[in-house]
Amino acid sequence: AQKITQTQPGMFVQEKEAVTLDCTYDTSDPSYGLFWYKQPSSGEMIFLIYQGSYDQQNATEGRYSLNFQKARKSANLVISASQLGDSAMYFCAMREAVYQGGKLIFGQGTELSVKP
Amino acid sequence: DAGVIQSPRHEVTEMGQEVTLRCKPISGHDYLFWYRQTMMRGLELLIYFNNNVPIDDSGMPEDRFSAKMPNASFSTLKIQPSEPRDSAVYFCASSLLWRGLADTQYFGPGTRLTVL
Repeated sequence: AQKITQTQPGMFVQEKEAVTLDCTYDTSDPSYGLFWYKQPSSGEMIFLIYQGSYDQQNATEGRYSLNFQKARKSANLVISASQLGDSAMYFCAMREAVYQGGKLIFGQGTELSVKP
Repeated sequence: DAGVIQSPRHEVTEMGQEVTLRCKPISGHDYLFWYRQTMMRGLELLIYFNNNVPIDDSGMPEDRFSAKMPNASFSTLKIQPSEPRDSAVYFCASSLLWRGLADTQYFGPGTRLTVL
């Protein structure tokens, strides 16, 4: 079974608007961490934001925020005020407690295109 | 600080040849990961090491693949013999065991392998 599901293969957003990239996950472990990475066309993987399962507040990093809905097992990435440089693939990933410090499981990714 | 270093950045080889991919993790990091990225299968974890010891190699596709980490600053992924279906981008990543679940993996630039 898929542990991380990103249902949007591709998304378009107008420059300066906000966009939400969906991520749902599946785990029976009460302790886990969720990550988002960005992969621009140049190919490198860039860490964006982290949310722990016990964190009381949604994580934020600059224009990135994570809409964490634990009961729904969703961890959507919100990018505010989109910029042309935000055009990239975005990957959601999860680490379960048994793999503390180690193994991440990645979703299939969402390709975001920002229109001028 | 230097990030994760991978070499070569691009490799083109013929079917049946041996291919060796190299990785230098970030100094001081405890974990090293090898991933493969393809359009069809997305980002797959092949193997990861903790303090130079292989922890999980369940993602290694076949016996043609092998990985070593002779010391804390160097790892290799070898494919012998290579096949066209091995064509992919291979990423190396490293992380520091510090906060457990929240530990971020830092990726190298990847090696784009083409097997003709």
